[in-house]
Amino acid sequence: AQRVTQPEKLLSVFKGAPVELKCNYSYSGSPELFWYVQYSRQRLQLLLRHISRESIKGFTADLNKGETSFHLKKPFAQEEDSAMYYCALSGHGDDKIIFGKGTRLHILP
Amino acid sequence: GAGVSQSPRYKVAKRGQDVALRCDPISGHVSLFWYQQALGQGPEFLTYFQNEAQLDKSGLPSDRFFAERPEGSVSTLKIQRTQQEDSAVYLCASSLLSRGGNGELFFGEGSRLTVL
Repeated sequence: AQRVTQPEKLLSVFKGAPVELKCNYSYSGSPELFWYVQYSRQRLQLLLRHISRESIKGFTADLNKGETSFHLKKPFAQEEDSAMYYCALSGHGDDKIIFGKGTRLHILP
Repeated sequence: GAGVSQSPRYKVAKRGQDVALRCDPISGHVSLFWYQQALGQGPEFLTYFQNEAQLDKSGLPSDRFFAERPEGSVSTLKIQRTQQEDSAVYLCASSLLSRGGNGELFFGEGSRLTVL
C-alpha cells in the first residue's frame, strides 16, 4: 500500500539555521514525489517535485530510493518559510496523489 | 475565474442532513480531485475525475458519499445523512492534464463542514 510518513508535526528552527523536513514513503514501484506548502491564509500549492530536480525558494529535495525518503532541505531558514509542509506521492501510472499528515515549520526570529 | 472556486466556504449541518459541496475548477483543466482534510491531518484522497469520467472513487469512506462531474467541468460532492465524523474541510483540486499533471494540483480554498 502507498503511504507517506512525516514524523514531525512541528519543527521550530531559528532564522538563518538549516532546515530539514523529513518524509518517508512506502511504495513498491517507482513513485513520483512532491512537496506541497500552505502559507497562512493561503491555498495549498505545489512547492517542488523530484522529477524536476529544481530548487524553489532555496528549498531542495532529493529522492533516496534506498532509504525511501524525500527530505526537504534549505540551508538558511527565512521567516517567510513558516508554513505547513506536506509531502505527497503518486504511484507510477497512478492518477491519485496521496499526502502525508504534514509538518508545521515555525521559523524563530 | 483565476483559480479553483469552492462553495459554500462554510457549512453547518445537523446530523442526518444531506449536504452538497460545489467545485468550479480552472477552465480547461482535465483532472479534478476531491480530498477530505480532518483537523490536524493531511488531505485524504476521496475521488478523481478525468473530464466527466470518475476514474477512481476508492477513497470515498461510505456509500453516503457521492461525487459527480456531469459535463466535465463543475463537480459536486454530496454527503447524505451526515454524521459527526464527516466534519472536515473538503478540498477540491484541478489539474491541466490527466494523471494529476505530473503532480501540479491547483487547490481551492476548501469547504469547511461542521456536523452538529
